Amino acid sequence: NAGVTQTPKFQVLKTGQSMTLQCAQDMNHEYMSWYRQDPGMGLRLIHYSVGAGITDQGEVPNGYNVSRSTTEDFPLRLLSAAPSQTSVYFCASSSLSGYSNQPQHFGDGTRLSIL
Amino acid sequence: GQQVMQIPQYQHVQEGEDFTTYCNSSTTLSNIQWYKQRPGGHPVFLIQLVKSGEVKKQKRLTFQFGEAKKNSSLHITATQTTDVGTYFCAGSGGYNKLIFGAGTRLAVHP
Repeated sequence: NAGVTQTPKFQVLKTGQSMTLQCAQDMNHEYMSWYRQDPGMGLRLIHYSVGAGITDQGEVPNGYNVSRSTTEDFPLRLLSAAPSQTSVYFCASSSLSGYSNQPQHFGDGTRLSIL
Repeated sequence: GQQVMQIPQYQHVQEGEDFTTYCNSSTTLSNIQWYKQRPGGHPVFLIQLVKSGEVKKQKRLTFQFGEAKKNSSLHITATQTTDVGTYFCAGSGGYNKLIFGAGTRLAVHP
């Protein structure tokens, strides 16, 4: 099993450009989420999804869009990149048990720099 | 909204000393999870606590969930250089929205 696969691993963008970070999982997990990690800030939740067709905002959703058309894929779109979005982005997935999150499986991350 | 606070932000110890990190939530949690992230890596799941007052051990690591289900701690006995990394707690108070603390970065000096 590949687990959670994120692409690309590294990306440099110019301010104002748009791009999509890809995330795919092969574990049939209902729950998928995107976090950004900045020094000293820990992992901050951007958006999450509890199943295909269902998405919701996390702590820092502004400037990002998501969609969940299949169970496997959960892409993150930057509409107009800004230097403040320079960060390491992690995608994670887990199964769900009622209202309790199960252990999260993380991808290797995407290091994004915006000039 | 839900907030998860973690202290200390950074701690360095001599190898063999003990280490503790604390996690506090602004809301009651349905469960709490702990993760470890090595430098340059991604967070890796360590353990999940569900019950009020629960205590779990993994070798030299002891995890505790508070009686009110709003706080938790991770204690490492006799640290080793392999314990180096950042330890995160993560809690869910609402419907599956998992919020992470800022993490405690542990440095171990041989």
